[in-house]
Amino acid sequence: TQLLEQSPQFLSIQEGENLTVYCNSSSVFSSLQWYRQEPGEGPVLLVTVVTGGEVKKLKRLTFQFGDARKDSSLHITAAQPGDTGLYLCAGDPSGAGSYQLTFGKGTKLSVIP
Amino acid sequence: ETGVTQSPTHLIKTRGQQVTLRCSSQSGHNTVSWYQQALGQGPQFIFQYYREEENGRGNFPPRFSGLQFPNYSSELNVNALELDDSALYLCASSLGLGQTYEQYFGPGTRLTVT
Repeated sequence: TQLLEQSPQFLSIQEGENLTVYCNSSSVFSSLQWYRQEPGEGPVLLVTVVTGGEVKKLKRLTFQFGDARKDSSLHITAAQPGDTGLYLCAGDPSGAGSYQLTFGKGTKLSVIP
Repeated sequence: ETGVTQSPTHLIKTRGQQVTLRCSSQSGHNTVSWYQQALGQGPQFIFQYYREEENGRGNFPPRFSGLQFPNYSSELNVNALELDDSALYLCASSLGLGQTYEQYFGPGTRLTVT
């Protein structure tokens, strides 16, 4: 069983549409991170959410951490082809503080011009 | 400032062989973590090194081993390669331990085991 479940697994949308991807767990996380990975590259950190109920915005991207700190969502407004990539959520379930990350399987997003 | 670099970029090995992958961390970063990313999956934590000492290990067998050198670069060694070891191997470096310190990932080494 995957500790972090991401949905949908694949998403193909037209430029200008809005979308939301989800990251869910039955475990409580002290924080969750979202990364974007493009082909042939390593993941790049987009945001870290720490407080339950927290909302963070990064231009057209809005990240939310669930009140119970078990889930998170990423909403993209007016998607652009440059948003295409694999979106990964990650966290450290141990709470030990070393931040040895557990990742979800990711949502592969394609934005069609 | 140079980012995280990994070598080689691609590698093809035969089952049963041994392989060494290398990672040069970002300047000043004393922590390196290694991850395995199989096709269609998210990265899986292998182990972490902090100031040349192993600081934690994921669910990987002992034939996966590593080193961190005084300049904080790192190696991942895999013995007795199996077909399932085919994956993208990522290293990530950070200034220290904990969520305060962002992990910067390298581009990865694509290992194919035939």
